[in-house]
Amino acid sequence: AQKITQTQPGMFVQEKEAVTLDCTYDTSDPSYGLFWYKQPSSGEMIFLIYQGSYDQQNATEGRYSLNFQKARKSANLVISASQLGDSAMYFCAMTAKGNAGNMLTFGGGTRLMVKP
Amino acid sequence: KAGVTQTPRYLIKTRGQQVTLSCSPISGHRSVSWYQQTPGQGLQFLFEYFSETQRNKGNFPGRFSGRQFSNSRSEMNVSTLELGDSALYLCASSPVGRQGAKNIQYFGAGTRLSVL
Repeated sequence: AQKITQTQPGMFVQEKEAVTLDCTYDTSDPSYGLFWYKQPSSGEMIFLIYQGSYDQQNATEGRYSLNFQKARKSANLVISASQLGDSAMYFCAMTAKGNAGNMLTFGGGTRLMVKP
Repeated sequence: KAGVTQTPRYLIKTRGQQVTLSCSPISGHRSVSWYQQTPGQGLQFLFEYFSETQRNKGNFPGRFSGRQFSNSRSEMNVSTLELGDSALYLCASSPVGRQGAKNIQYFGAGTRLSVL
């Protein structure tokens, strides 16, 4: 079984500053994928970034980067140059090869609020 | 390319009724997964369909069921509704079915179900 833990229920960040959202995971499967999703108040889950367990480099997608520390089982999301539109819930999720299919296990989420 | 479409967006039902939610995946995607999101339990996996077959199922009672059609569209049904079934129901589709691969799931905007 997999488990995702997000320890920050809510965070504030000043516009244009960088922010790190924490995520730790637990799995006994050596092959897994880690994901971050953004959920605005409208409800839709928006895919941000993916990191595979065998990827040698940290994933980056525009202003988003994933700080992957495999030995510590952490996959923190870094958002550079925060914008007001970044205010939303952020979810860390994972899937593992042992899963029969594409089941995603989600963390409890972090609510990010960007201050002007 | 159109995204994942869920209908209806909002639904109000009373206890004991049944409800059917619909999901049209992104064109070419063959895997469709359903998730329930509540303030208390967070995001929980319901089931996944691939090539019209249920491939994986979460820990939900038998009142929750689903199916997938030959065009990959999917429906989920909840019978004998309970107050606790009030939630945002999210559908996600992914392009490939290989387990454990980089199967990014793309979500729809969800159906918000209220049970009175």
